[in-house]
Amino acid sequence: AQSVTQLGSHVSVSEGALVLLRCNYSSSVPPYLFWYVQYPNQGLQLLLKYTSAATLVKGINDFEAEFKKSETSFHLTKPSAHMSDAAEYFCAVRLYNQGGKLIFGQGTELSVKP
Amino acid sequence: EPEVTQTPSHQVTQMGQEVILRCVPISNHLYFYWYRQILGQKVEFLVSFYNNEISEKSEIFDDQFSVERPDGSNFTLKIRSTKLEDSAMYFCASSEGQGANYEQYFGPGTRLTVT
Repeated sequence: AQSVTQLGSHVSVSEGALVLLRCNYSSSVPPYLFWYVQYPNQGLQLLLKYTSAATLVKGINDFEAEFKKSETSFHLTKPSAHMSDAAEYFCAVRLYNQGGKLIFGQGTELSVKP
Repeated sequence: EPEVTQTPSHQVTQMGQEVILRCVPISNHLYFYWYRQILGQKVEFLVSFYNNEISEKSEIFDDQFSVERPDGSNFTLKIRSTKLEDSAMYFCASSEGQGANYEQYFGPGTRLTVT
């Protein structure tokens, strides 16, 4: 069965520092992979997605993620953290042959220190 | 920009009571979903809905749960007899299509507290 694991429920970085949020997936068939962000009192917003095209995917707000099949990973990065990046980040997987159901990781809360 | 809305933002109910959580998906979307997140746990898929019927449901979505699209705009989740363990944040989502290129748009959620 497919699953998603996010390493670290809470990550804290300084403003301007590199952001790295880790996501590993388990899937028996090629997956689609997603990163969502949730700001306080708002719904989940799609940051970026991997759908079997380019392995390096760029999203909104300078976030990017790289699909590494050999490592079953889809880590999210941003070169320079901004205070406004403080939010909860969710990695999710979907199987191409299983409808629209998203399977989420447990989320990582990102804090950005001034 | 169109968005998914959910009401109420917070619902408090007593164990055994029925609750209806309401969602207004984006108007031209055809696929609808409910997810929930128990505090401190993962966001979990509950059910997907298309063409006025359930297309997929999880093990969580038992006989106590039902969904309906009563009037072509609202999409509701009903819990017939709430239990303490139903306390969670419930998210509604909608999408135009089902392929990977179709983004699921999420509402802000309804926090359900069962006492």
